[in-house]
Parts: sequence; C-alpha cells; structure tokens
Amino acid sequence: KNQVEQSPQSLIILEGKNCTLQCNYTVSPFSNLRWYKQDTGRGPVSLTIMTFSENTKSNGRYTATLDADTKQSSLHITASQLSDSASYICVVSHVAPSGGYNKLIFGAGTRLAVHP
Amino acid sequence: DTEVTQTPKHLVMGMTNKKSLKCEQHMGHRAMYWYKQKAKKPPELMFVYSYEKLSINESVPSRFSPECPNSSLLNLHLHALQPEDSALYLCASRATGNNEKLFFGSGTQLSVL
Repeated sequence: KNQVEQSPQSLIILEGKNCTLQCNYTVSPFSNLRWYKQDTGRGPVSLTIMTFSENTKSNGRYTATLDADTKQSSLHITASQLSDSASYICVVSHVAPSGGYNKLIFGAGTRLAVHP
Repeated sequence: DTEVTQTPKHLVMGMTNKKSLKCEQHMGHRAMYWYKQKAKKPPELMFVYSYEKLSINESVPSRFSPECPNSSLLNLHLHALQPEDSALYLCASRATGNNEKLFFGSGTQLSVL
C-alpha cells in the first residue's frame, strides 16, 4: 500500500536551535517528493522537491535529503525562527500507471512550534 | 501573478443553504484541484480538473458539486451539507508536468451549523 509516514507528530524547539523532521514512504513507483510548509489557516507552500537522483537540496535555512534506497527523506531546519512555527507536510508523487497526472500522497505532517 | 485566490475566506452556513466557493488563478495552469482539510490532518483530495474537464472525483458526496467555467476559475457548489463537512477547503493549481508543484490558495474555512 502506498503510504507516507512522518515523525515526530509534533515538536517544540527553542528559537535559534536546529531540528530535523523525518518522512518515510512506501510509494512505488516513485516520481518525486516535496516538502510543504503550512501556516495555520493558510494553504501549504512548497519548500523543495527531491527527485530520484537527488540526495540533498537546500533552500535557505531548509535542507532536504532523500535516500531512495531506504525510501526516507528528512527536512533539516537550521537556526530556527519564530516564523518557522507551522506544519510541515511530506508529499510523495506516485507515478500514474496509464499516463496523466501522478497521484500525490500526503503525510500527516509534523507540527513544529518554535518558542522564544 | 503567482497566486491562487479563494473567496470567501470564511463561510458559515446552515444545512439547508446553498453556497459556492470560488477559486481563481492567472498562472495559465491547466490542472486545478479541490482539497478538504480537517484540523490537524493533511489535505484530502476531492476533485481534479484537467483542461477544464473533471478528471478525478474521489467518491465525493453529491452535495459537493464542482464546476470549471474556464481555465482560470474553479467553483465548488455546496448544498444540504452536514456538520461533519465543516473544514478548510483548499483550491490548488499546477502547470502540466509531474514535477510541477501545487500552488495552494489560502482556503475557505467552512462551518456548517
């Protein structure tokens, strides 16, 4: 069954600290993996995309990794800020068997709270 | 313009009301989506339109009726909803190509009384 699991479910850190969020998936065949940030009451915003051949990609203070062999991804946030408080959702794209748009499989998200 | 605009931002309706949610984008995206999101849960896909034609309906009850009048607009007509339909309704769009990201609107927070 195609699934995406994220851990931890929630996380509290102090401002300025680093943290790492995990995403494990069983989606096959795999197309790509995206991390989205969702502020409360807003729509998700894409942070980064990882394709099969990519291991690491950075976007400012966000660094995503992908291990396609173990089907694991992580999102590392450096020097956290209060504005990083949000839900972080891992979305894996499942290759459509007969063409057309790939199916997107959402993880349940990690709720991050950054405290001063 | 890289925005997806949704209106209204908030909506309260009774179970006998008829209302519509609206979504608009001017990025030339030909794929548009409706998602439903309950609190502390990930978005759940409801409908996908591709080139103004309904391509995916995730077994959504008929009290939700989508409409795509043109390539920039997407509506969701609501009728005889139930309290459990209360949720954040998100519209999204994306360009063709499976590596393209979804652009989400800010959503309509719907409360059904």
